[in-house]
Amino acid sequence: GAGVSQSPSNKVTEKGKDVELRCDPISGHTALYWYRQSLGQGLEFLIYFQGNSAPDKSGLPSDRFSAERTGGSVSTLTIQRTQQEDSAVYLCASSLWGQIEAFFGQGTRLTVV
Amino acid sequence: GNSVTQMEGPVTLSEEAFLTINCTYTATGYPSLFWYVQYPGEGLQLLLKATKADDKGSNKGFEATYRKETTSFHLEKGSVQVSDSAVYFCALDPIQGAQKLVFGQGTRLTINP
Repeated sequence: GAGVSQSPSNKVTEKGKDVELRCDPISGHTALYWYRQSLGQGLEFLIYFQGNSAPDKSGLPSDRFSAERTGGSVSTLTIQRTQQEDSAVYLCASSLWGQIEAFFGQGTRLTVV
Repeated sequence: GNSVTQMEGPVTLSEEAFLTINCTYTATGYPSLFWYVQYPGEGLQLLLKATKADDKGSNKGFEATYRKETTSFHLEKGSVQVSDSAVYFCALDPIQGAQKLVFGQGTRLTINP
């Protein structure tokens, strides 16, 4: 596609439920990143995938968070047993490995009630 | 560790005023430096970048110079427009090309006509 696409754009879920957030990167981009934008914490790195290498999960805040990337393209970020502090905008970005610029999607706004 | 500190907002200016948004960083090694912009209702976009000391990034009338001696990357524009109203994020990539971006807290800029 023309840009990074994320779905859904908005998600409201009840505390304790699991959610899945989807990211479609720009076609051909080998690197994919997830960030979280929240009021209290600003923009935080969560996880990144590069080609077939093991993902760098160093930014995931707890073991309730996981992500996978299938076929080197689409990625899903899963949050299990959601908590109110998980409420944030989750941003996905992609780039060609070694390229300076990352291209961001519009984000998924997650609200846990 | 790596961190970015940027001028707290919000910042409100009149059209055609001079803009400076301060950004300082702490990093090991030789990071790349970025300014990203988030216009209302849109995703993060790269505004400008610099990859080594004394490089000047520029775009849309904005400029920032990578100053290693002062660990700074201040954003400037000589004459702002209403359309520049947005949130501006300073960021660093500690490993060039890895895109594990470390962001500042963001500065909301409002330009009044």
